[in-house]
Amino acid sequence: DIQMTQSPSSLSASVGDRVTITCRASQSISSYLNWYQQKPGKAPKLLIYAASSLQSGVPSRFSGSGSGTDFTLTISSLQPEDFATYYCQQSYSTPRITFGQGTRLEIK
Amino acid sequence: EVQLVQSGAEVKKPGESLRISCKGSGYSFTSYWISWVRQMPGKGLEWMGRIDPSDSYTNYSPSFQGHVTISADKSISTAYLQWSSLKASDTAMYYCARGGALRRFDYWGQGTLVTVSS
Repeated sequence: DIQMTQSPSSLSASVGDRVTITCRASQSISSYLNWYQQKPGKAPKLLIYAASSLQSGVPSRFSGSGSGTDFTLTISSLQPEDFATYYCQQSYSTPRITFGQGTRLEIK
Repeated sequence: EVQLVQSGAEVKKPGESLRISCKGSGYSFTSYWISWVRQMPGKGLEWMGRIDPSDSYTNYSPSFQGHVTISADKSISTAYLQWSSLKASDTAMYYCARGGALRRFDYWGQGTLVTVSS
């Protein structure tokens, strides 16, 4: 299976900060990379698909980039509601879909 | 409005069987795969497997193959995840998710908490 490794595993930041989370695949996955946000007690929510496409209804402060093995999720100006856990997920090796281990974004 | 509504929380004993459900509405149920995702307490997301509701074709993660069964009844737009003999290690939150275009999980159920304890 393709391994997905996120860094950092946790991150402390302040409202208004610019934050970047990275995700590395163990082999090339082209642009088959999606990002999800999960808040405590809630289901995950799709933010970015196909590495850089913003899901409908998601604020434009979220953006994604990358291809091949290295990807980033950027939040341009953190808002209070953005403190959550973020997961990357590869869909290249369907049906053997895999997620990253998650990045917990906390308030500094 | 697209919705996936899952069945309620379950408390079971080891060795018991269980089937949980995920009902889709607001879209053509047979046009999208449904996947199941496990989240153990305090842990990350694990893809378990998926089903094509149009013909009930399934794929499983090797980690879950043989331990769970995924099925669907397209007449009532519902997918299922079942166990024949639960273990304490099956205690987790289980989510269903719709497999949208470009292989993204665009809609998720609210989750079903399964607790297995003697």
